This record gives sequence, C-alpha cells and structure tokens, in this order.
Amino acid sequence: EDKVVQSPLSLVVHEGDTVTLNCSYEVTNFRSLLWYKQEKKAPTFLFMLTSSGIEKKSGRLSSILDKKELFSILNITATQTGDSAVYLCAARNTGTASKLTFGTGTRLQVTL
Amino acid sequence: DSGVTQTPKHLITATGQRVTLRCSPRSGDLSVYWYQQSLDQGLQFLIQYYNGEERAKGNILERFSAQQFPDLHSELNLSSLELGDSALYFCASSVAPQGETQYFGPGTRLLVL
Repeated sequence: EDKVVQSPLSLVVHEGDTVTLNCSYEVTNFRSLLWYKQEKKAPTFLFMLTSSGIEKKSGRLSSILDKKELFSILNITATQTGDSAVYLCAARNTGTASKLTFGTGTRLQVTL
Repeated sequence: DSGVTQTPKHLITATGQRVTLRCSPRSGDLSVYWYQQSLDQGLQFLIQYYNGEERAKGNILERFSAQQFPDLHSELNLSSLELGDSALYFCASSVAPQGETQYFGPGTRLLVL
C-alpha cells in the first residue's frame, strides 16, 4: 500500500527561525511529489518535484527531492506568522489510475 | 480563490441519511477529484473523474458514489451515513487526467449526528 510519512507532526518556532519539514514516501511507480499549504480550509499548491537534486524555490520557501532515498524536504527561512499552517506532502504515481497519496501533514506555528 | 466551487459549505445530518455534495471545477479543467479529510486520517483520496468517466478509485466506501456530468460538475453521494463519515470533503480539479497540480475547492464540512 502506498504510504507518505511526514515529520515532525507539529512544531512551534519563533518568527525569523528557519524550519525544515520532512516527507518520506513509499509509492509504487512514483511519478512526482507535491507540497501543499493548508491554512484554514483548502490546500494551496506550493511545489511539484519530479527530479532528484533540483531545488525549487519560491521566495523564502524551497524544496528538494531525493528519489534514491525516497524523501523530500521543505525549507522555510526567516519564518513569519503568516507561515503558520499545516504543510501537506503528497506523492503521485504513474499510470491510468494515477492518484495522490497524502501524508497527515506537519502543523507549523510561528510565534512572535 | 482557486476557482473550484463546492456546495454546501456546511452540512449537518443524522445517521442513516443520505447527502449530496456538489463541485464545480475550474473553467477548462476536465478532471475532478474527491478527497475526505478527517482528524485522524488526514487527506484521503476517494475517486477521480475525467471528462465524465471514472478514472481512478481510492479508499471510497461502497456507501459512497460519485458522478461527473456533461457540464463537468461533479456530485459525491454519501448514503447510510455513520458518525465516522463526519469530515471535510474536498473537491479538486485539474486540466489533464494525470493533473499534477490540483486546485482545491473550499470544502464541505459534514457533521453526522
């Protein structure tokens, strides 16, 4: 059965800190890994990663994939209170029955 | 705002009842996905439709069914509701059947009493 595990489950940091969120996956016929940010309701798309070692960046957020070790990390530098959210990682497989398998998320709280 | 709409926002019903959740995808998106998010299970993929046809199936119970109509909106029907069906139900859409980037709607919160 396909599985995605995120760690830590939850963390609290001070504004300005840098955080690293981890995502490991076991997915048959892996195709890509996606990161989402979920604040109050709907998850919003952050990154999609398909190749190992290529960092994707968007402002203070960056992410990288290691297809050999089957994990990805999401880094947030100089955190702000607006970064407080649940961060979801999802792995997608290939094939006609392609689907996303989500982890349970990492809850990040950024305090002043 | 992702462009995906879901109705209703909230739904409270009793056990044994049946409800229908509705989703309209973003303009131009042909693929619709349904997810269930509960506190203990995280986000679980239920089912995907592409251009009116079922494309992929996840952890969807037999009491649940879905369809996608010619105008591409989709409905998720939940019947013989149980307390454990209380959750947030999300719809997402993408252009292609293997849409990497799925845009999520605001969700329907279902409470079964």
